[in-house]
Amino acid sequence: GDSVTQTEGLVTLTEGLPVMLNCTYQSTYSPFLFWYVQHLNEAPKLLLKSFTDNKRPEHQGFHATLHKSSSSFHLQKSSAQLSDSALYYCALGENNAGAKLTFGGGTRLTVRP
Amino acid sequence: GPKVLQIPSHQIIDMGQMVTLNCDPVSNHLYFYWYKQILGQQMEFLVNFYNGKVMEKSKLFKDQFSVERPDGSYFTLKIQPTALEDSAVYFCASSLNWGNYAEQFFGPGTRLTVL
Repeated sequence: GDSVTQTEGLVTLTEGLPVMLNCTYQSTYSPFLFWYVQHLNEAPKLLLKSFTDNKRPEHQGFHATLHKSSSSFHLQKSSAQLSDSALYYCALGENNAGAKLTFGGGTRLTVRP
Repeated sequence: GPKVLQIPSHQIIDMGQMVTLNCDPVSNHLYFYWYKQILGQQMEFLVNFYNGKVMEKSKLFKDQFSVERPDGSYFTLKIQPTALEDSAVYFCASSLNWGNYAEQFFGPGTRLTVL
């Protein structure tokens, strides 16, 4: 079945350092991958998603590349900001009939001054 | 941006009672979803809904669960009767389009505690 793994539950780093949050997946069909971000007491919001035209998705300085060979969709940013502190979810949607997302366990990112 | 609202934000209920969780989706969206997140675990799909019908449901969507959206009002998740294992945060989502490429807009969740 489908599954998404986020290996780090907690990541703490200093402002200005690069961010990399891991996401690997298992999928029966060709998947769509998403990153959602949830700030404290707010709703999860879409940060970016994979595309089929090989364009690397970017938003708010974050980017991710879908690597089918390694079944990965890691989230990266060159320089962390204090406002990036949040819970990040990687999610998978199968490219077949249907509309349901499979989520990873989430990574809580804390950026310190 | 578009917002999904959920009412209430917290609900505490005794085991065996009925509870209704309310979701106010994005106004022009046609497809609606419920997800369940038990404390410390990942968010899991429960059900999706379109045009008055359940389209897909997971094994977590027990017989005690039901969903409806009467006359374009709130999209609701009803649990009757509740059980201890129903304690979780329930997230509602909506989307304009169908399919797993479509962006789902989430609400902030309702934390349900069953005693």
